Amino acid sequence: GESVGLHLPTLSVQEGDNSIINCAYSNSASDYFIWYKQESGKGPQFIIDIRSNMDKRQGQRVTVLLNKTVKHLSLQIAATQPGDSAVYFCAEAQGAQKLVFGQGTRLTINP
Amino acid sequence: GAGVSQSPSNKVTEKGKDVELRCDPISGHTALYWYRQRLGQGLEFLIYFQGNSAPDKSGLPSDRFSAERTGESVSTLTIQRTQQEDSAVYLCASSPHAIPSGNTIYFGEGSWLTVV
Repeated sequence: GESVGLHLPTLSVQEGDNSIINCAYSNSASDYFIWYKQESGKGPQFIIDIRSNMDKRQGQRVTVLLNKTVKHLSLQIAATQPGDSAVYFCAEAQGAQKLVFGQGTRLTINP
Repeated sequence: GAGVSQSPSNKVTEKGKDVELRCDPISGHTALYWYRQRLGQGLEFLIYFQGNSAPDKSGLPSDRFSAERTGESVSTLTIQRTQQEDSAVYLCASSPHAIPSGNTIYFGEGSWLTVV
């Protein structure tokens, strides 16, 4: 299938620490990447995106890094807060193509 | 409402029955996606509609699954002869753009389907 139907990996961090969530994407021709946050019982919400002509992009408390050589994407969340607890997904697209979601990661922020 | 609306929000059906799930995209959005999300797992692409172009059906898992969309309006996802493995949340998303732009793709809250 186009997305990995595996049980989600988990990551636990202490409140206030930084977290890094990783994602391996599948299509070397993908030129657009997005990180989504999904809270329980809700649909995914946009966090940050990056195009393939960049290798880093920063938002508020979040940074996305793109390594096209190894087809790897990461999301860094600084100074984590309890509200950051959620499942995080990366997604990729090529041109005007469908979004394909990668493996999600469940992030838990411990008080 | 202003967001993507899906119905029903929850559906319990008996194995072998047909179900129809509905998605009302945001008005004016030309792109519409359906995804399936099994419990504790990622989003599996099912089908993508873009304007009047032929839909991308490459993610439909079997011929029991079909989806329709008339123009840029409502879409329905139909699952025939449901099986227990069809139990999942079915998420719909819409976008005003053909070329995906993450901050303009809006997801509904999903239709939870349980096949018993």
